[in-house]
Amino acid sequence: SAVISQKPSRDICQRGTSLTIQCQVDSQVTMMFWYRQQPGQSLTLIATANQGSEATYESGFVIDKFPISRPNLTFSTLTVSNLSPEDSSIYLCSVLILSRTDNYGYTFGSGTRLTVV
Amino acid sequence: AQSVTQLDSHVSVSEGTPVLLRCNYSSSYSPSLFWYVQHPNKGLQLLLKYTSAATLVKGINGFEAEFKKSETSFHLTKPSAHMSDAAEYFCVVSDKAGGTSYGKLTFGQGTILTVHP
Repeated sequence: SAVISQKPSRDICQRGTSLTIQCQVDSQVTMMFWYRQQPGQSLTLIATANQGSEATYESGFVIDKFPISRPNLTFSTLTVSNLSPEDSSIYLCSVLILSRTDNYGYTFGSGTRLTVV
Repeated sequence: AQSVTQLDSHVSVSEGTPVLLRCNYSSSYSPSLFWYVQHPNKGLQLLLKYTSAATLVKGINGFEAEFKKSETSFHLTKPSAHMSDAAEYFCVVSDKAGGTSYGKLTFGQGTILTVHP
């Protein structure tokens, strides 16, 4: 399984500013995803980070608010822009691992807890 | 399209008694199903997964789940609850092959398990 390093683990940001979250994987992975977990809620998929092309966003999420980069197969960033208190959440990256036996699994980063004040 | 319904938002049991957390899913393709646990202020931990092999899946910490296609269910059970099992549990579905949902995880709303002494 892959090991994910997600940074920062937490941050407190002023409204109107932006926060960029990094996700580094210790091996090349097929697919990378970004999720949001709002307080007391389940996880919701924000987007699929595509290597070398624009991310694929889920309904309700737009590139201007959540720009994503994925320059290679081991790294991605998520930026949360123009922050408001409603953006206070935990943001997680996840990777899909496909093994030689076609068995697969997911690994999650430890999350970034964002508080907007 | 895929979806997950966790039938109970809260489950309360006494230590040493059985645990049953219910999950129903909907998937257009052959699904993979997962149970994750999240302890307070901790990351997601995979308990077990079903990916089209044996329908009875054994996971960590004595948990197991049975995939029932006819009932579209994937309930999580444990014969004897321990205090350390108190946490939030998420049932998760992924379309394993084909369609625009490929690779994406859809999370249920979560079930909070409380274990009383």
